Amino acid sequence: AQSVTQLDSQVPVFEEAPVELRCNYSSSVSVYLFWYVQYPNQGLQLLLKYLSGSTLVESINGFEAEFNKSQTSFHLRKPSVHISDTAEYFCAVSDQVNDMRFGAGTRLTVKP
Amino acid sequence: DAGVIQSPRHEVTEMGQEVTLRCKPISGHNSLFWYRQTMMRGLELLIYFNNNVPIDDSGMPEDRFSAKMPNASFSTLKIQPSEPRDSAVYFCASSLSGLNTEAFFGQGTRLTVV
Repeated sequence: AQSVTQLDSQVPVFEEAPVELRCNYSSSVSVYLFWYVQYPNQGLQLLLKYLSGSTLVESINGFEAEFNKSQTSFHLRKPSVHISDTAEYFCAVSDQVNDMRFGAGTRLTVKP
Repeated sequence: DAGVIQSPRHEVTEMGQEVTLRCKPISGHNSLFWYRQTMMRGLELLIYFNNNVPIDDSGMPEDRFSAKMPNASFSTLKIQPSEPRDSAVYFCASSLSGLNTEAFFGQGTRLTVV
């Protein structure tokens, strides 16, 4: 079965600083990888996903993630964060056999 | 489409009472997921349906929990009897095909058992 590890439970950063939220997964087969964002009192929304092809995927609001098969990672990055990026971020993995599993989440807090 | 609709948004109940959470998935989606979110355990998959059939219920915590999907447009998650440790936010999500496509989440039901 696959699993997902988000290495940081909380990440505080200042506005306009770069940020990286780390995600590692384990799976014995080819995987599909996702990042979801959860704003306060809301459900999860898809931020970006990797299914196949280019290993670098981007979201419309400036986030990007790179699938690294050798390191079994899918870290999320943004070069300059805004206050509005404050939220909880979940990494998720599914494969051809198992349903989607989520990491424990990383709470990103952007301070002015 | 209005998205995944969950009801109620908030539920406060006394220990021992039966609680029923409801979900209407996005029309045309054939997979439905129930998740529970708590501070201690994060987001946990409880059960997953595909074409109205339960595929994986290994995440259902115990016999007090049950879930049904009588048709493609409706699912329930029932807790009987409820306990304070069941307090959490319960999310329903739906997707097309299930495994490699985006899951769309409802707003969640915040359950408080006192």
